[in-house]
Order: sequence, then structure tokens, then C-alpha cells
Amino acid sequence: QTVVTQEPSFSVSPGGTVTLTCGLSSGSVSTSHYPSWYQQTPGQAPRTLIYRTNTRSSGVPDRFSGSILGNKAALTITGAQADDESDYYCVLYMGSGIYVFGTGTNVTVL
Amino acid sequence: QVQLQESGPGLVKPSETLSLTCTVSGASISSYYWSWIRQPPGKGLEWIGYIYYTGSTNCSPSLKSRVTMALDASKNQFSLKLSSVTAADTAVYYCAKYGDAYNLDYWGQGTLVTVSS
Repeated sequence: QTVVTQEPSFSVSPGGTVTLTCGLSSGSVSTSHYPSWYQQTPGQAPRTLIYRTNTRSSGVPDRFSGSILGNKAALTITGAQADDESDYYCVLYMGSGIYVFGTGTNVTVL
Repeated sequence: QVQLQESGPGLVKPSETLSLTCTVSGASISSYYWSWIRQPPGKGLEWIGYIYYTGSTNCSPSLKSRVTMALDASKNQFSLKLSSVTAADTAVYYCAKYGDAYNLDYWGQGTLVTVSS
């Protein structure tokens, strides 16, 4: 079964930049996987940040950006703020109507 | 504004069937794809599956044998049944709506279902 891998955790300084990645246990991520990214704070439902690789959802600050870097999808936070401290999940469309969530990355801002 | 609300028992006995309903407001159930996602306590998100207004469904291969999804257009609701539950099925269950680009654009607040005798 396909595993979608993310870094377990990242720490970033306020105002700093961090890039989270989303990879496949076998193969490369491409735009055909329609990568999307979700932010979740404790006790809350996830919030959509990015879809279709690099399209920001309505109301999402432009410090969040999505891309393909090498063989992975990536989410970059430029100018991190304290309220960016959250868990971040990617989702990939695997074809044939199947979606898989990534393992999630916990981001700390300090 | 689109809103989704999960409802159902918070406690289910092992080997029984978990049943949840998602009530949608602000959008017609007779459009879009609708999804279920779950999150065990302290763990990551897991995609369960989706249902389309035509009634077509698709599920995670790991859950497919135990999942049934249905849609009630008259009530603007869709539902999830998960059979033969075990403690490993204890999780917060979310319902969500798909947008136009393979993304989940609206989520319910989630409901905790505990499997225990």
C-alpha cells in the first residue's frame, strides 16, 4: 500500500522560512496527484491551505505557497508567524478515485 | 456559507456497526463529492472514502470491506456505516465536501466515536 511521507516535525523562527515536503514511498509526486495541503490546530478541524499544487484557498495568507520540488510536493511558509504553529497534512490523489493523506508534520514556531 | 455537521452515537461496542450522518447546509447534496475522514486520538488523518450524488462511492482499500456510504437528497445528508468495529476504529470522524480540484474545501467540526464495551 502506498505511503505518503512527510517530515515528522520542523522548528522555525518567527519571520523565518520553512519548507515541508510530501513524498511517495514509491515513485514521484507530480501535478497529476493534485497535491493539497491542510493546516490543523489541536482540537480543530483541518483548514484548506493549498490545492491543485499551488492554488491558495480563499483567505489564506500569501506567506503560504505550494510547489513541486524535485520528486515531492512542497509547502513553504515564508515569514512564519506564531499562529502558524500547527500540524500540516498533504493529500495526494492516487488515481482510480483513491486519496491518501500524508503522515503529517508538526511545525513549531520559536 | 457551506456548513457540515456530523451526528451519531459517541460510543459503539466492539463488533457492532458505527453509524454517522453528515447534515449539509449552504450547498446541495445533489452536487459535488462528499467525503469521510477520521483521526485516531493523537494520530494523523486517514481518508475513508467519498460518495457522489449519483450514489457512486469509493473507499480506502484498507476499509473497503467494512464501509457503506449512502446519500439522502431529501434531507441533504450523507452517511457512513463501518461494520465490525474494534478499538482501532476509535477516532474523531469528519465529513467534508470536495471542491472542484480534488480538494476538500469544507469540513465538519468532527465527532469522537469511541469503541468500547
